Amino acid sequence: DGGITQSPKYLFRKEGQNVTLSCEQNLNHDAMYWYRQDPGQGLRLIYYSQIVNDFQKGDIAEGYSVSREKKESFPLTVTSAQKNPTAFYLCASRPSRGRDEKLFFGSGTQLSVL
Amino acid sequence: KNEVEQSPQNLTAQEGEFITINCSYSVGISALHWLQQHPGGGIVSLFMLSSGKKKHGRLIATINIQEKHSSLHITASHPRDSAVYICAVPYYGGSQGNLIFGKGTKLSVKP
Repeated sequence: DGGITQSPKYLFRKEGQNVTLSCEQNLNHDAMYWYRQDPGQGLRLIYYSQIVNDFQKGDIAEGYSVSREKKESFPLTVTSAQKNPTAFYLCASRPSRGRDEKLFFGSGTQLSVL
Repeated sequence: KNEVEQSPQNLTAQEGEFITINCSYSVGISALHWLQQHPGGGIVSLFMLSSGKKKHGRLIATINIQEKHSSLHITASHPRDSAVYICAVPYYGGSQGNLIFGKGTKLSVKP
């Protein structure tokens, strides 16, 4: 079955450590997105990519980095510069960059600080 | 920037009740999304609609473009419908293809 796989489900970060969240899709979608969800808040866009080897900052990109070396993969690194990383992170994709297409989501990664 | 407001924030219902969740937005749009977030965190896209009404099983979504308002209805609600329901609209002028998400309506259906 086609879908989006995020791993790990739970992740713990130590002070000063960089951690990487994995997102893989086998839907052959061009566009991929990373969102952050905080309790009581709507999802906020961190980074997005519309094509391989290209990505753009979203509304809250500071302290995060991404890469898009393969169409299927869009990993997110939470760097030590992100001072408040505790949140639920969701990866999503859609067939193309068009606004009016359904988004497909992964099951999310809960990141906590030790 | 579009603003999205959902109501109510929390909703508790008895099994079998008819449920309505509302979404209002401030800027004209081409399509609106309704999403369901399960207790485990995963999100499923329920509907994307630009006019009128769409139905899938016991779920019905309606939109009034002139009034900038959409509703999600659940008929004959069941405990398995317990989830957070999220409304989202396009973010014009910002990151292309991005959506503005409401804060969600947490629905709890009691048996």
